[in-house]
Amino acid sequence: DAGITQSPRHKVTETGTPVTLRCHQTENHRYMYWYRQDPGHGLRLIHYSYGVKDTDKGEVSDGYSVSRSKTEDFLLTLESATSSQTSVYFCAISEGEQGLWKLFFGSGTQLSVL
Amino acid sequence: EDQVTQSPEALRLQEGESSSLNCSYTVSGLRGLFWYRQDPGKGPEFLFTLYSAGEEKEKERLKATLTKKESFLHITAPKPEDSATYLCAVLPSGTYKYIFGTGTRLKVLA
Repeated sequence: DAGITQSPRHKVTETGTPVTLRCHQTENHRYMYWYRQDPGHGLRLIHYSYGVKDTDKGEVSDGYSVSRSKTEDFLLTLESATSSQTSVYFCAISEGEQGLWKLFFGSGTQLSVL
Repeated sequence: EDQVTQSPEALRLQEGESSSLNCSYTVSGLRGLFWYRQDPGKGPEFLFTLYSAGEEKEKERLKATLTKKESFLHITAPKPEDSATYLCAVLPSGTYKYIFGTGTRLKVLA
């Protein structure tokens, strides 16, 4: 199994509070992704990173920010959590090279915003 | 607009009853099409990558095929342990942003 660790696994927070989710990899893969998964919507890309300090937005990036100061860590921050951000969040990694584009996923973080 | 559509949304099969899941896609160019399996409460697990029309991949009871517009995941003589959600994703040319379908929930009854 790919070495991907997400923390925390579960989080309950209140509307308006900041929340940070962490993704840690031991594979030295270049690309790291944050997705959210909701019933009826499937996996939707929030942000991704293609290197240290290099990030780009996905289709549902509003209300989220990311940072990658080291190859192995990719942080997702909800600046001011809202109930619409209640979801399961998955981190994924990829080597990003020809023939090595498959994604490996973490176990997910269940976030509830009350 | 690049998009991926999976059908059916849900499928119930008797053990041993073979069937196929469909993934239709629209992209300007295709780097790869991917199939994943997802069990409840877990992250998606990689199954196959297909790169070009006509390509086929097999693993145990699963076989994935690819045409220019769609991919099929054939399940032969399924067992209850094959019950899961199966996700399809595409990686368009010129980008590293994967696009996922909403999945097919498969239930195999003993």
